[in-house]
Amino acid sequence: GAVVSQHPSRVICKSGTSVKIECRSLDFQATTMFWYRQFPKQSLMLMATSNEGSKATYEQGVEKDKFLINHASLTLSTLTVTSAHPEDSSFYICSAREGQGYNEQFFGPGTRLTVL
Amino acid sequence: DQQVKQNSPSLSVQEGRISILNCDYTNSMFDYFLWYKKYPAEGPTFLISISSIKDKNEDGRFTVFLNKSAKHLSLHIVPSQPGDSAVYFCAASDTGGFKTIFGAGTRLFVKA
Repeated sequence: GAVVSQHPSRVICKSGTSVKIECRSLDFQATTMFWYRQFPKQSLMLMATSNEGSKATYEQGVEKDKFLINHASLTLSTLTVTSAHPEDSSFYICSAREGQGYNEQFFGPGTRLTVL
Repeated sequence: DQQVKQNSPSLSVQEGRISILNCDYTNSMFDYFLWYKKYPAEGPTFLISISSIKDKNEDGRFTVFLNKSAKHLSLHIVPSQPGDSAVYFCAASDTGGFKTIFGAGTRLFVKA
């Protein structure tokens, strides 16, 4: 299957700093990328959907000014957690989809963010 | 409001037996359903899917059944293998596949 990478895999930062997470589709062009957040023993919570070249669509309750998403190219999307707080500590996972409709999503390996 | 529910947080099965993972959904607009498998500290990987126009889809040891009237789907794994031990997420997409909603997951333990 298609490969999606995320970088970094793990990051620890101080409260108040910003952290950028990259999501890349390595062998296909991702028309759409999704960002999820997973709390321990809980489901994947969709944070936002981004299409290349346009603004991301955020889910209800997700602060767009706190979680900045940029989908600058068909192979790269970034999530920046601004002014991070300990409650932002979580496992962030991106996925990418080629084309529209029911094409399956390919997930990245996730990024573990710990805010001290 | 949980639109996709996996009511069993965990399931333990003996190797070689059948594993049945269940999923219920509430939104009748969902018309495409997927199962993903996830190992710790990794992203989910796609397993199998089914369109709402079908009631069964089979791929090797994995079969997904869909009961639209009951808004229920299930994943059958036969025979179960220790390597199948993972968290399984049920997911549902709306018409056009614009958004996919995931259930909370069921952790499957397959004992040797």
